[in-house]
Amino acid sequence: GAVVSQHPSRVICKSGTSVKIECRSLDFQATTMFWYRQFPKQSLMLMATSNEGSKATYEQGVEKDKFLINHASLTLSTLTVTSAHPEDSSFYICSALGPGPYNEQFFGPGTRLTVL
Amino acid sequence: QKEVEQNSGPLSVPEGAIASLNCTYSDRGSQSFFWYRQYSGKSPELIMSIYSNGDKEDGRFTAQLNKASQYVSLLIRDSQPSDSATYLCASGYSTLTFGKGTMLLVSP
Repeated sequence: GAVVSQHPSRVICKSGTSVKIECRSLDFQATTMFWYRQFPKQSLMLMATSNEGSKATYEQGVEKDKFLINHASLTLSTLTVTSAHPEDSSFYICSALGPGPYNEQFFGPGTRLTVL
Repeated sequence: QKEVEQNSGPLSVPEGAIASLNCTYSDRGSQSFFWYRQYSGKSPELIMSIYSNGDKEDGRFTAQLNKASQYVSLLIRDSQPSDSATYLCASGYSTLTFGKGTMLLVSP
């Protein structure tokens, strides 16, 4: 149980283009999902908290106009990196708040974004 | 600022030994504590969660929590080469703060 999928697993794009990443909870409904970014040899950095049916809450320093988050259903959240630049190249990982009472987060497999 | 501190390692142990991983956290309001395992190039995988002071055992893993000392640990018994990974400690409740992780190397 508590499986989270993410698509695509890897994407390479040109500078200035936009990239959409999908995060799905496969066997449970997730009212809350999270988006993280991880640079090489660094820890996970929370970018935003996504709640179904409402606007995402962004962490300090994260540009909400650049990283668009939509959580339109109880099983799907999307992150769109708009006008991507090489410095946006990173490992983007989503997680979903699990169905139990203890606020466990279950992670998707991640998306490796490379912007040329 | 909420912080979670871990020794970056690497922690090297021989196969079959006990690996001990430690973590301290700054937010006294944290209610939930988690250990995640992350293999190189992969996303984190939840291996243990703990919410009350004391020990919690699950198979070869034992998590220990001491809220007074703001300290969490993870013991891995009978360590296997497949346990070689980075172990992330996280604390919080609605959102989590992650440590930078401790790299564990288990040699055959």
